[in-house]
Amino acid sequence: QITLKESGPTLVKPTQTLALTCNFSGFSLNSYGVGVGWARQPPGKAPEWLAFIYWDDEKRYSPSLQTRLTITRDTSKNQVHLTMTNMDPVDSATYFCAHRLRGADLFDFWGQGLLVLVSS
Amino acid sequence: AIRMTQSPSSLSASTGDRVTITCRASQDIGSYVGWFQQKPGKAPKLLVYAANTLQSGVPSRFSGSGSGTDFTLTLSSLQSEDFATYYCQQYHSYPLTFGPGTTVDIK
Repeated sequence: QITLKESGPTLVKPTQTLALTCNFSGFSLNSYGVGVGWARQPPGKAPEWLAFIYWDDEKRYSPSLQTRLTITRDTSKNQVHLTMTNMDPVDSATYFCAHRLRGADLFDFWGQGLLVLVSS
Repeated sequence: AIRMTQSPSSLSASTGDRVTITCRASQDIGSYVGWFQQKPGKAPKLLVYAANTLQSGVPSRFSGSGSGTDFTLTLSSLQSEDFATYYCQQYHSYPLTFGPGTTVDIK
């Protein structure tokens, strides 16, 4: 079955770079139509889509965060990485990685989420 | 960016009630909408995609409808496990955007 799990720091200081890893199993990111993405959700608010990486290594980013985000993959390790530069307290949120529903940019399998706090 | 709005923002209902949640897009998105259910401390769960297609394993009491700019999620007979927050999301174009959510709680 498909599983995903996020890892990374739970506390970062303002201006630092956040580096997150998504370890997944049950699918191959080399297979046609497959994608993995990231979303975040501040407490009590709606999810916000951040980025996608697809089977062909195409990448898509949220325009409002594009200059700060980088998404990469390591298919040999079944990992997807997300970095976000210049972190600010408003970036405090639960960060999720998730599997793309084939044929649609919707997340059908999600990780458990990682709560990241940005504070000095 | 396409803006998604939802109404109501919250509602109180009893088990067995029929519940309808509305989602509106700021422009025509065809049928490119999905619906998610989220419980506290958990990741969202995909319920419906392509506006009206039930995701595998989702109970048939859930249904979606609509096209263009107006969409609805209906729960035909509310069960105790359905008390949660529901979000719509458009995937017509980037950036992908979610609605603000509708919380369904116990009356």
